[in-house]
Amino acid sequence: EAGVAQSPRYKIIEKRQSVAFWCNPISGHATLYWYQQILGQGPKLLIQFQNNGVVDDSQLPKDRFSAERLKGVDSTLKIQPAKLEDSAVYLCASSPNRNIQYFGAGTRLSVL
Amino acid sequence: AQSVSQHNHHVILSEAASLELGCNYSYGGTVNLFWYVQYPGQHLQLLLKYFSGDPLVKGIKGFEAEFIKSKFSFNLRKPSVQWSDTAEYFCAVNRADKLIFGTGTRLQVFP
Repeated sequence: EAGVAQSPRYKIIEKRQSVAFWCNPISGHATLYWYQQILGQGPKLLIQFQNNGVVDDSQLPKDRFSAERLKGVDSTLKIQPAKLEDSAVYLCASSPNRNIQYFGAGTRLSVL
Repeated sequence: AQSVSQHNHHVILSEAASLELGCNYSYGGTVNLFWYVQYPGQHLQLLLKYFSGDPLVKGIKGFEAEFIKSKFSFNLRKPSVQWSDTAEYFCAVNRADKLIFGTGTRLQVFP
């Protein structure tokens, strides 16, 4: 089966610019997650969707980050405006049962 | 604070050496435990998992892990590593449908 697709793979922007990441989960997976992985750290959950509803966004910096999953399938994560400390890999994961998660390759963001 | 700790940040081994990577968690009650691996340039992949039952779980590529409830530990082991095991290894705990990751251990295996 096809895995979790993410694009772009790499993105370089200047601080205060905007950026968006896209994720297409494994077909049929109702739960979708966005993680932020800063260099040298483990992934940290930003937001969790169940179908098109938000289950948990307590760790999402809502002043600059937003995410949506309008049709309950693919999802976008946006940062506006970006800060230097947002440089990280942004991972998308999906799960059929909220237990085992399958990860995409991630988008590496560099903010200059 | 509740957390997942991986005490080995960087491990360097020669091929055929034995491996043990430590993982401790601080959550009480029922936990589901995972080890994920990230090979260079690739995505996170599930190595093995523990939900219940036999505390010694076997995963892919000859890896195994032992859940010791009294020690809040879930250490990863492999009797004989290969160069291809060079990767970053993450321990994770599932709490309330959320994965909490450790900081990861970078393993380098030299031929």
